[in-house]
Amino acid sequence: AQSVTQLGSHVSVSEGALVLLRCNYSSSVPPYLFWYVQYPNQGLQLLLKYTSAATLVKGINGFEAEFKKSETSFHLTKPSAHMSDAAEYFCAVSVNTGGFKTIFGAGTRLFVKA
Amino acid sequence: DAGVTQSPTHLIKTRGQHVTLRCSPISGHKSVSWYQQVLGQGPQFIFQYYEKEERGRGNFPDRFSARQFPNYSSELNVNALLLGDSALYLCASSLDRLQETQYFGPGTRLLVL
Repeated sequence: AQSVTQLGSHVSVSEGALVLLRCNYSSSVPPYLFWYVQYPNQGLQLLLKYTSAATLVKGINGFEAEFKKSETSFHLTKPSAHMSDAAEYFCAVSVNTGGFKTIFGAGTRLFVKA
Repeated sequence: DAGVTQSPTHLIKTRGQHVTLRCSPISGHKSVSWYQQVLGQGPQFIFQYYEKEERGRGNFPDRFSARQFPNYSSELNVNALLLGDSALYLCASSLDRLQETQYFGPGTRLLVL
């Protein structure tokens, strides 16, 4: 079975500081991994995805994530936080079971202080 | 190009009633998935439909059902509503059932009183 654990339900950083959101996954087969962002009262927007190509994945808005199989991790980083990055972030894992079933983590709310 | 659209945006129902939520995928996308997002939690997978057939089902009771139409739009139906069904219901589309990237709509917020 697949599962996703996001460490820290809330993360607070200062504007300009490093953003690090942690995600660990469990999967019995090679997974596809995703990070999504959700702004208040909106749907989910794809930030980036890992699909078994390069282990360092670059996404939109300056975010990137590194797939580490040995650590079963897919942490999201951004070198310098901006006020507009304040949102809820979800890590997700998908596996091919004849269709794709996507399992989401519980989410991490990012606060950015001026 | 238009993204995934969902209707209605908001809905208030009472316990025991029935509700139908609608989703139109991105043009050219043939697969639609439904998710339930309870406040403060991540989305939970309900169904995936492709070519009008159910291709995946999450751990939801039989009160939840869905269908997909020839134009690839989809409906999610929930019978005998419970207070716990109050949530944001998200629809996501992808090119086909083997396409791992999904694009989400804005959701329908359902409140059950």
